[in-house]
Amino acid sequence: GQQVMQIPQYQHVQEGEDFTTYCNSSTTLSNIQWYKQRPGGHPVFLIQLVKSGEVKKQKRLTFQFGEAKKNSSLHITATQTTDVGTYFCAGIPGNQFYFGTGTSLTVIP
Amino acid sequence: DGGITQSPKYLFRKEGQNVTLSCEQNLNHDAMYWYRQDPGQGLRLIYYSQIVNDFQKGDIAEGYSVSREKKESFPLTVTSAQKNPTAFYLCASSGREAISPLHFGNGTRLTVT
Repeated sequence: GQQVMQIPQYQHVQEGEDFTTYCNSSTTLSNIQWYKQRPGGHPVFLIQLVKSGEVKKQKRLTFQFGEAKKNSSLHITATQTTDVGTYFCAGIPGNQFYFGTGTSLTVIP
Repeated sequence: DGGITQSPKYLFRKEGQNVTLSCEQNLNHDAMYWYRQDPGQGLRLIYYSQIVNDFQKGDIAEGYSVSREKKESFPLTVTSAQKNPTAFYLCASSGREAISPLHFGNGTRLTVT
């Protein structure tokens, strides 16, 4: 069945360091979405990638969709304490969302 | 102010009791979803509904039931048949456009003892 794997599961960084989380699908995806969940909160939509090789930026966040549309990454430059939370990818092979297991980011001031 | 409302935020039940979690949206979204979140396991789909009076099972539907009598409402019942019901339950909705983003409620944390 459809699987979306996400690594690493946990990441601790010093404030100011960069952070990257990777998402890999067992099948080709039509779209991929990224969400952020703050501690004690609910997931909030960040961005959607649709095209092969697509790169999108939101301030210090850079999102990439692989050429084969089976993997994606989220990179945060110069992390801040406000970046703390769990980042989820959601792969969409058809019309259903398959969430990765998430990467929990801790930023040490 | 549009959004999704889940109630209650915390719920405690004794083993063997059925419990219903409420989810209401005023976003005029067609599709609604229920996810279960356990530590280290991400979000797993329980049920989803794309139109009123119709719903489909997700990956972990056993021990759960839903109804979709109104567009705005998608309640989830956790039955006594669910072997490990203690979890964080998230309701979400999405619009008509193909692969619209999910809008989540604040969640209900259910504890069964």
